[in-house]
Amino acid sequence: DGGITQSPKYLFRKEGQNVTLSCEQNLNHDAMYWYRQDPGQGLRLIYYSQIVNDFQKGDIAEGYSVSREKKESFPLTVTSAQKNPTAFYLCASSTDRAGSPLHFGNGTRLTVT
Amino acid sequence: DQQVKQNSPSLSVQEGRISILNCDYTNSMFDYFLWYKKYPAEGPTFLISISSIKDKNEDGRFTVFLNKSAKHLSLHIVPSQPGDSAVYFCAARGDTGTASKLTFGTGTRLQVTL
Repeated sequence: DGGITQSPKYLFRKEGQNVTLSCEQNLNHDAMYWYRQDPGQGLRLIYYSQIVNDFQKGDIAEGYSVSREKKESFPLTVTSAQKNPTAFYLCASSTDRAGSPLHFGNGTRLTVT
Repeated sequence: DQQVKQNSPSLSVQEGRISILNCDYTNSMFDYFLWYKKYPAEGPTFLISISSIKDKNEDGRFTVFLNKSAKHLSLHIVPSQPGDSAVYFCAARGDTGTASKLTFGTGTRLQVTL
């Protein structure tokens, strides 16, 4: 059963700590993305990757880092430099053909206190 | 700078009636549009899309209309069912041939009442 797995579903961290969110896909998609959702706002793009070992900043990349060492995996690290890290984080993937829709995981809710 | 706007944060419709969700965009380079449905604490799921070369696309109870001159699109759900109650996001991308970077609207919460 193909899909995107994000873990954990809920994550709690103390301010000043880095935290890494996991995202794995078995859809054989080339492209992967990280979005952030805040109440009353749309999904905002953090980082995306079109191919292994390559990634680009999205609209709100400051305070985040990513890696793409394997096609299946695209972990996101929320660093202590991120001013407002508490949010719902969504990972997605696509075939990267023009017009192909994004397929999303079920998200990780990060709470930093 | 909100390039994709959903000006109605919420909408309530009776079961069996038509639901119309609206979306406006400002970037004339957008030429592919998608609608996603999202339940609480879950990821969005793809519903329907439309390319700028069309003005209508239909899939079962869901129809998307595109008015490119007005930079406006709408999602019609007929008939509306209680299971349609969710947040609906409009999204757009420029058909650059590269990554499917989508710009999302802020969402409209649809409640279908009995």
